[in-house]
Amino acid sequence: GAVVSQHPSRVICKSGTSVKIECRSLDFQATTMFWYRQFPKQSLMLMATSNEGSKATYEQGVEKDKFLINHASLTLSTLTVTSAHPEDSSFYICSARRGGGTGELFFGEGSRLTVL
Amino acid sequence: DAKTTQPPSMDCAEGRAANLPCNHSTISGNEYVYWYRQIHSQGPQYIIHGLKNNETNEMASLIITEDRKSSTLILPHATLRDTAVYYCIVSPPTGANNLFFGTGTRLTVIP
Repeated sequence: GAVVSQHPSRVICKSGTSVKIECRSLDFQATTMFWYRQFPKQSLMLMATSNEGSKATYEQGVEKDKFLINHASLTLSTLTVTSAHPEDSSFYICSARRGGGTGELFFGEGSRLTVL
Repeated sequence: DAKTTQPPSMDCAEGRAANLPCNHSTISGNEYVYWYRQIHSQGPQYIIHGLKNNETNEMASLIITEDRKSSTLILPHATLRDTAVYYCIVSPPTGANNLFFGTGTRLTVIP
């Protein structure tokens, strides 16, 4: 199956710093990628839809100025958590939908962010 | 809002078939049924999907009722490595549509 890779898998940062998470589709082009956040023992919550060459679409309640999304190419989307705080500690997961298929999503391995 | 309803948890004996139900009574004509699973601290893994016909692959079988209002994921011979949270999602196959995960079913395979 198609492969989506995230980096880093784990990151620990100090409060107030910014963290960038990369999501790459390794063997297909993805015009659209999705970013999710998952807190312990909870389901995935869609944060935003990342569109190649245009602005991301954010879900209600997600601060676009705090969670910066850039989708500069058909194989790379980045999520930057700006001025991170401990409450931003979570498991961040990206996914991509392969064009021409029947819509199955392929997910990255996830990135666990811990803000001290 | 999630468009599916699943039992929160199920147990299955190792080697037996695991049958995971999902209700999606408001499914639209162009929406597929997708199944994913998430093993602890990993990203979700695609399992199978279907529109109206039953489907089978190397991982599982998907049985969709004739009215498409419910489906069942079948793991024919569950192993301990199948312990995970299983998510049923309905969505059109194209476009930047929102993909909402419900709470899923936590399947525990018992030795």
